[in-house]
Amino acid sequence: EAGVVQSPRYKIIEKKQPVAFWCNPISGHNTLYWYRQNLGQGPELLIRYENEEAVDDSQLPKDRFSAERLKGVDSTLKIQPAELGDSAVYLCASSLAWRGVLEQYFGPGTRLTVT
Amino acid sequence: ELKVEQNPLFLSMQEGKNYTIYCNYSTTSDRLYWYRQDPGKSLESLFVLLSNGAVKQEGRLMASLDTKARLSTLHITAAVHDLSATYFCAVTFGNQFYFGTGTSLTVIP
Repeated sequence: EAGVVQSPRYKIIEKKQPVAFWCNPISGHNTLYWYRQNLGQGPELLIRYENEEAVDDSQLPKDRFSAERLKGVDSTLKIQPAELGDSAVYLCASSLAWRGVLEQYFGPGTRLTVT
Repeated sequence: ELKVEQNPLFLSMQEGKNYTIYCNYSTTSDRLYWYRQDPGKSLESLFVLLSNGAVKQEGRLMASLDTKARLSTLHITAAVHDLSATYFCAVTFGNQFYFGTGTSLTVIP
């Protein structure tokens, strides 16, 4: 079974440019997460989807970040315009509740460098 | 706001030695997760601890949970170089995961 797929794996852009990340979760996983992980820190939630609905986007900088999850499967995260401080690894994860236990699976991440 | 703290943040240990990583969290949660992250890689699930007193072991790693103290420990027995990585604990509140700061472990031959 394929895991969580993300693309691209690496992206280098100049500040003020737009960038988009794509995520394909594990089949059947209704919950999808986007995290940002800064160097030397743990993942921080940006947005969580339950199917197509964004149920927690309180940490998403809405002035420049946007996300969507069409048809409750794939998701895209966009930054426009990018700032130097956006350099980080963007992780996508999906989860499934099995017998009351939430198991979360992470994709390989997209390493963004803003110059 | 739920906070998850780990200590130490950095750990350098010799092969064959034992050590414990601690994870404290601020709000009641009965699900505690441990993940491993190798440099440049994503997070890999190690353990899920479901209830007070739960203990799980895999190889040289053993995790335990004390929900009353809001504390989990990850014990490393007779460390080997392959265990070098960053270890994160996380707790859930609803369907949301809150991660600790991570412990960067380096095992020296």
